[in-house]
Amino acid sequence: DTAVSQTPKYLVTQMGNDKSIKCEQNLGHDTMYWYKQDSKKFLKIMFSYNNKELIINETVPNRFSPKSPDKAHLNLHINSLELGDSAVYFCASSPGDRYQPQHFGDGTRLSIL
Amino acid sequence: QKEVEQDPGPLSVPEGAIVSLNCTYSNSAFQYFMWYRQYSRKGPELLMYTYSSGNKEDGRFTAQVDKSSKYISLFIRDSQPSDSATYLCAMSVRSGGYNKLIFGAGTRLAVHP
Repeated sequence: DTAVSQTPKYLVTQMGNDKSIKCEQNLGHDTMYWYKQDSKKFLKIMFSYNNKELIINETVPNRFSPKSPDKAHLNLHINSLELGDSAVYFCASSPGDRYQPQHFGDGTRLSIL
Repeated sequence: QKEVEQDPGPLSVPEGAIVSLNCTYSNSAFQYFMWYRQYSRKGPELLMYTYSSGNKEDGRFTAQVDKSSKYISLFIRDSQPSDSATYLCAMSVRSGGYNKLIFGAGTRLAVHP
């Protein structure tokens, strides 16, 4: 039974399009995250939600908009996709903001043509 | 200078060897220290988690933290081909009232039979 699941696993699209990635966790965690991993494997936080409230918003372009309909789900919508958005996007969750060990999904590989 | 420095490798060792993976950091505000293992096309998986200076052992894995030197290590004893993966160190810091993780770039490890 997958703890943190992301859909889709692969996303190939053209520059300028809008796309969404979905994430769900069944661990009962309060806090969820979006990370971006670039081609050099460097993993960097983008957003964090605690009980549906945005608590971390790193310097990410406004084209990226996260949404948390409930504490088990965190989606990421990206407008006007650019070549530099090509990366692997990981969703993660943790029991709370203070207890940091995070559980990751297997990522969504986004390729912009 | 990055907040967390980690040699990307690759590191190639024979089966049965003792592997030493290291990270240095510059921010003395880091509180929690973690090691994640990431297999190809998978999400990072938490291996070890520690707060204080000293050693923590779990099976073939030992995590070591030296806060005075700002240096953490992961030792793998009796390495196996199944240990071949990228190992990411991560550190927790309080920022803007919330905790977030800062990751190293990851070290690619190959254990050959």
